[in-house]
Order: sequence, then C-alpha cells, then structure tokens
Amino acid sequence: AQTVTQSQPEMSVQEAETVTLSCTYDTSESDYYLFWYKQPPSRQMILVIRQEAYKQQNATENRFSVNFQKAAKSFSLKISDSQLGDAAMYFCASFNFGNEKLTFGTGTRLTIIP
Amino acid sequence: NAGVTQTPKFQVLKTGQSMTLQCAQDMNHNSMYWYRQDPGMGLRLIYYSASEGTTDKGEVPNGYNVSRLNKREFSLRLESAAPSQTSVYFCASRGILSYEQYFGPGTRLTVT
Repeated sequence: AQTVTQSQPEMSVQEAETVTLSCTYDTSESDYYLFWYKQPPSRQMILVIRQEAYKQQNATENRFSVNFQKAAKSFSLKISDSQLGDAAMYFCASFNFGNEKLTFGTGTRLTIIP
Repeated sequence: NAGVTQTPKFQVLKTGQSMTLQCAQDMNHNSMYWYRQDPGMGLRLIYYSASEGTTDKGEVPNGYNVSRLNKREFSLRLESAAPSQTSVYFCASRGILSYEQYFGPGTRLTVT
C-alpha cells in the first residue's frame, strides 16, 4: 500500500521569504513518481513540480524546488521569494504506474503574510 | 484546448436521488480518473479507466458506478445518493507518455 504523509496542516511565510513544506511517503514499488499540486481557493488542482524516482537530481521549476531523499522517502517542496499568489493548499502525491494509483497526502495550507 | 471539463459545477441532491457527473477531455489521453475530496483527507480515487472499454475500482468505489463512454468521456453515477457522498468530485486524465494527471475544475455535490 502507498501512503503519503504531510505533517504540517498549516504554514505561513512572509512575502519574499522562503518556505519549505514537508512530505514523506511509503511505497513498495521501485518505479514511481512524486508530485506537488497546488489548490488555490478556486479549487483547481495545479501541478507545481514533479520528480521521477529514478532521477537523483532534484527537480526545479522557477521559484519551486524539491529536496528528494529517496532512502529516507522524503520529498519536500521549497518555495523561494514567496508571493501572495502562492497562498493555497499544497498536496504531495505519489504515483505508482503498476496500479495506476495517485495517492495524496492530506495537504498543507500555506498563508503568505504581506 | 479546454483540457478536462466537468459538469455540473454544483449540485444538491436529496437522499436516494440519482445523478451522473460528466467528464470530458480533449487531450487524447488514454487514462481517466474520478476522485473525491473531503476535508482533511486529501483526494481519494473512486474509479479509473486505463483505456477505452476498461474500468477498475479505486480506493472508495462503494456507491458509485462509472462508464467510459469513449476515449474522451468518463462519467460517474450515483444510483442512490447518501449524505456520506457529500464531497467535491474531480475528474482527471493522463496520457501514455506522461505520469502527470490533469484535473478538471471539480463538482461540489451536497446530499441532504
């Protein structure tokens, strides 16, 4: 069974500062992918960043980067230069190709303080 | 391209009523999914369809049925709605060469 754990229900950060959201996962699969999704108040699920488990290099997308620690099964998201538009729920998720299952964590609500 | 579309956006049902949530994608994706989102629980997979003509149960299939009408469309049916099915429902799709799922805007369903 796959599980994804986000231990921070809420986080806040000052505008222009850096914040890190934590995520741990557990899977018995060797081939899997990890994602961070953002859900603003509009409730649209928006893909922020993805990481293939077989790649050692951490993924980056502009101000968003991950710290992927495969042995520790940890996948944290770092947001640099936080902007007001970053305020949202952030969900960590793992996808196992074998069973077509995308498993989500319970989310972290990020507040940006002006 | 519209991406993934869902109808309706909001719906209120009485206990025991039935309804079908519609989903369509225009990205020529093979796989399609239905999720429900409840407060504090993230998204949970209800059913999925890996290709036209196939469907499989996910984590929480009880009380739901699905139909993969064609490659574009994947519908979710509640035969006899219950208050426990009050939730936000998301449809998603995925292409063969990608492991990313693209989500529709969601349907907020309330069962009274």
